[in-house]
Order: sequence, then structure tokens, then C-alpha cells
Amino acid sequence: ETGVTQSPTHLIKTRGQQVTLRCSSQSGHNTVSWYQQALGQGPQFIFQYYREEENGRGNFPPRFSGLQFPNYSSELNVNALELDDSALYLCASSAADRSRGEAFFGQGTRLTVV
Amino acid sequence: ELKVEQNPLFLSMQEGKNYTIYCNYSTTSDRLYWYRQDPGKSLESLFVLLSNGAVKQEGRLMASLDTKARLSTLHITAAVHDLSATYFCAPSGTYKYIFGTGTRLKVLA
Repeated sequence: ETGVTQSPTHLIKTRGQQVTLRCSSQSGHNTVSWYQQALGQGPQFIFQYYREEENGRGNFPPRFSGLQFPNYSSELNVNALELDDSALYLCASSAADRSRGEAFFGQGTRLTVV
Repeated sequence: ELKVEQNPLFLSMQEGKNYTIYCNYSTTSDRLYWYRQDPGKSLESLFVLLSNGAVKQEGRLMASLDTKARLSTLHITAAVHDLSATYFCAPSGTYKYIFGTGTRLKVLA
């Protein structure tokens, strides 16, 4: 167990709907990153939050947005869902100082868009 | 943009055998991570390699890093069935990890 928790674990949505995924970071970690992992692929970086601000973004459209709260927990919001958004969404928490170790991943949220 | 290539993509091996997974990456990175993923599960951290020539071992797995060649290896010694999983290498960019496509390992009894 990494101490990073995500909710929900599974979710089914209809194309065009909106979804919010949640992540609680590990104690002592103040940076949260989100990744999308399509079936059979490696995780793809969506964005990172540090001190409640977006700290970097991957090649994802603006309908993917996020928040980080003062307790370092985070949300990933996806608007206007498309079928290709079906994937495992992973949250990773880490310390801002990379020398303090690697990122730890939550168990993921499996999103299915129908 | 940093790109990562792992090979092989699929590996089926007998218990007791040795094998090496290779991870090549395209631009300079000061550290590299190896993760394991079981089907339907999240990523489990295996190794953090922080400098050129770094070597780390845990049980039957040993990872090394050659930053000049932009190459990391994950060596499996005397494989056992419990090692069956997908293994990812991930060089670290400024603020993100770039994952390879993964190597799906199946150890046959």
C-alpha cells in the first residue's frame, strides 16, 4: 500500500458527460500528478499540481482540468467525454524535492465511456 | 521531447532462466525509475537509479543505469512465476515521468 488513495475505483459514463476523479496524496507529499493509461500502453502524463497550481502539462486538451486543495488532495475533471477517454487514470504523489524519492501511485480509477 | 523504448515488449520465459529487459531513452535524464504493474493494478516502485553507473538489486531483480548510453537494464535472475507482470522504465523529466510501453513478462512453470 502506497498511502495514495483514489476514488472511485470504477466508473462508467456516457459520451459527452463530465467526470470528476479524486486523489488523496501520501502523507508528507505536496505534489500530485495525473496519468492516463490506455489498455496495453504505458501511462501518459496529463498534468502536475504543486501548491494548488498547475506545474506542468502533457499533451492533453483543455477539457482535462484539475485542482489541488490545501491538504494536497487533487481532482481530475474531464468534460465532454469521448470514447477514447476510456482508460485507467492514475494519481501519483511525490515530494516537490525530487531528491526525496520517487512518486507513489494510487490504485487508479478505471473509466469506461460508452 | 524525451522518448522511451523498451525491448522486448513481450517476454515468455521458463522458471529458473535469466533474462534482461532493455530501456533506451532519447535525451538526457538525471534519474530513472523502474515500476512493476500487475494486471488491473497500479504501479509498484521497484528501483530509483540516480546516477551514471548506478546498480541496485532486490531479490531476483537487478537494475543498472548508463546515462552516457541513455540505457537502463533490468536483469532477472532465476525467474519465478511470481515475477510475471508488466515492467516499465521511466526516465524523469523536469517534473514528469516518461513511461516506456512496458515489457510484459510471463514466467512459465
